[in-house]
Amino acid sequence: SQELEQSPQSLIVQEGKNLTINCTSSKTLYGLYWYKQKYGEGLIFLMMLQKGGEEKSHEKITAKLDEKKQQSSLHITASQPSHAGIYLCGADGLGNFNKFYFGSGTKLNVKP
Amino acid sequence: KAGVTQTPRYLIKTRGQQVTLSCSPISGHRSVSWYQQTPGQGLQFLFEYFSETQRNKGNFPGRFSGRQFSNSRSEMNVSTLELGDSALYLCASSFSLPGDTQYFGPGTRLTVL
Repeated sequence: SQELEQSPQSLIVQEGKNLTINCTSSKTLYGLYWYKQKYGEGLIFLMMLQKGGEEKSHEKITAKLDEKKQQSSLHITASQPSHAGIYLCGADGLGNFNKFYFGSGTKLNVKP
Repeated sequence: KAGVTQTPRYLIKTRGQQVTLSCSPISGHRSVSWYQQTPGQGLQFLFEYFSETQRNKGNFPGRFSGRQFSNSRSEMNVSTLELGDSALYLCASSFSLPGDTQYFGPGTRLTVL
């Protein structure tokens, strides 16, 4: 079973629309990371959340970690074509330190 | 600061051959992790090295091995290549795991024919 479940698997939105991607863990999250990947390239670090209830923003992207620290959401406001790519959540310490887990990813396509 | 670098960027090999991939971490980072990314399995953890020691490994056969040098540079080796080993191999560096942000290299695209 997947330690981290991401939804939706893919998303197509019209430019200017808002969207949300979710990442759910069956275990308490000690550190939750969001990355973005352009096809076939490396991952770009977006932000990291550690405390329950924490919320961070970078430009038009906001991520939250829920109070119980088992779910995170990534929200993009007024999406642009430059937001297109694969968004991955990742976590460590899920009962196995020094090992890092990734969700299956959400493929985002933004139509101009 | 220079980012994580990986060489080579692209590789084509045939079944049965072996391959060595290299990763240079960000200066000051002592942890290097390797991942395999395929369309079917997504991103899977291979192993993590810290101070020249493998601290953890994922569920991959023994054909996949690695090492880390005293300057934190790391190499990954795959012996007796199989078609299913075709993938994007990513390395990431951090000060340490868990708890520190990992920064990724651009990856090595391995194609096995």
